[in-house]
Amino acid sequence: KQEVTQIPAALSVPEGENLVLNCSFTDSAIYNLQWFRQDPGKGLTSLLLIQSSQREQTSGRLNASLDKSSGRSTLYIAASQPGDSATYLCAVKGSQGNLIFGKGTKLSVKP
Amino acid sequence: NAGVMQNPRHLVRRRGQEARLRCSPMKGHSHVYWYRQLPEEGLKFMVYLQKENIIDESGMPKERFSAEFPKEGPSILRIQQVVRGDSAAYFCASSGLQETQYFGPGTRLLVL
Repeated sequence: KQEVTQIPAALSVPEGENLVLNCSFTDSAIYNLQWFRQDPGKGLTSLLLIQSSQREQTSGRLNASLDKSSGRSTLYIAASQPGDSATYLCAVKGSQGNLIFGKGTKLSVKP
Repeated sequence: NAGVMQNPRHLVRRRGQEARLRCSPMKGHSHVYWYRQLPEEGLKFMVYLQKENIIDESGMPKERFSAEFPKEGPSILRIQQVVRGDSAAYFCASSGLQETQYFGPGTRLLVL
């Protein structure tokens, strides 16, 4: 049974700092991995999707890497801003098409 | 191009009542997924539907919960005889031929 773990559960950094969020999964037989952002009381916004054959994806200040063999992904956020404050969710796609989520990392960027 | 629409955004029910949650996928998307987010918990998959078909319902509770995605109209998640433990945020996602799932804003169900 696939399990997804995210560490740390919460992170507080000063504005401008570069940071890394971690995601690990127990079954390396994944189709893809997706990073989302969730603001309080809101839905999920897709940030990056990495196919199982890919190693990384970049969008603006965000870079996500995937190491399928070790069951790990990282989300790198450069030059963090207060507007980046949110909960970041990692999800892997199972064999049936559904996503399996971690519990998230709650990020707070202090001005 | 409107995103995934869910209504109502907030729903209050008393124990024993029925709750109906609606999801309209993005235009052109024929795949719909329902997820539940319990307080302080991660999102859990419930059911995956395509038009008029349930593809995977392995995450659905065996009793009181049902889902449909008719040929016309939105997908419906129906919870009969709600209990307090059903209080959660229910999210719908849709996808097309591409892999990315796009999520709606969610319906927050509160059972009194």
